[in-house]
Amino acid sequence: EPEVTQTPSHQVTQMGQEVILRCVPISNHLYFYWYRQILGQKVEFLVSFYNNEISEKSEIFDDQFSVERPDGSNFTLKIRSTKLEDSAMYFCASSETEARNEQFFGPGTRLTVL
Amino acid sequence: GENVEQHPSTLSVQEGDSAVIKCTYSDSASNYFPWYKQELGKRPQLIIDIRSNVGEKKDQRIAVTLNKTAKHFSLHITETQPEDSAVYFCAAIPPYGGSQGNLIFGKGTKLSVKP
Repeated sequence: EPEVTQTPSHQVTQMGQEVILRCVPISNHLYFYWYRQILGQKVEFLVSFYNNEISEKSEIFDDQFSVERPDGSNFTLKIRSTKLEDSAMYFCASSETEARNEQFFGPGTRLTVL
Repeated sequence: GENVEQHPSTLSVQEGDSAVIKCTYSDSASNYFPWYKQELGKRPQLIIDIRSNVGEKKDQRIAVTLNKTAKHFSLHITETQPEDSAVYFCAAIPPYGGSQGNLIFGKGTKLSVKP
């Protein structure tokens, strides 16, 4: 069964550094999402992406964040200048057609900002 | 915007008993309500979902009910087993047009099933 994959599984960085989190959505899916989950808390929406552009973003997704689909398979989240409070698990998700269908989550990247 | 409240935050049951988790949502136009199970350190996995044109859906030991008038939906797990122990999240998708299906999650319920 196809799955969403993410790399790396764990990223440790210094405050102020740039990080890029990578995701490979399920191949026939058209809608892509990033969520984050601070340890012990709920999953929070960051951004949705469709047809090579951002569809919607939350208030968390400020100017430090950007997303890109550089080729036909990868979907990336960049954090330009990391802050301590960016430490969280970042999940990529994808869905197949109309956005109402099931969203399938990747295994996550644990980002630790020191 | 949409807001999802979930109760209880923790739930402990004996193996074989039933467990019920309840969620309420604020936007009456929301029409898709999935439930995710998240084991420690793992990804959220969709276990069941319901659309607003249906009042109840069942899949083996798991069922979800939806009351659109009251704007609440519930997850029911019967004959619980230790492997059901996990954090369960309810979610809602706000109506199309203002968003592209981003999930708004509840705060989660930590279910512990004691053998």
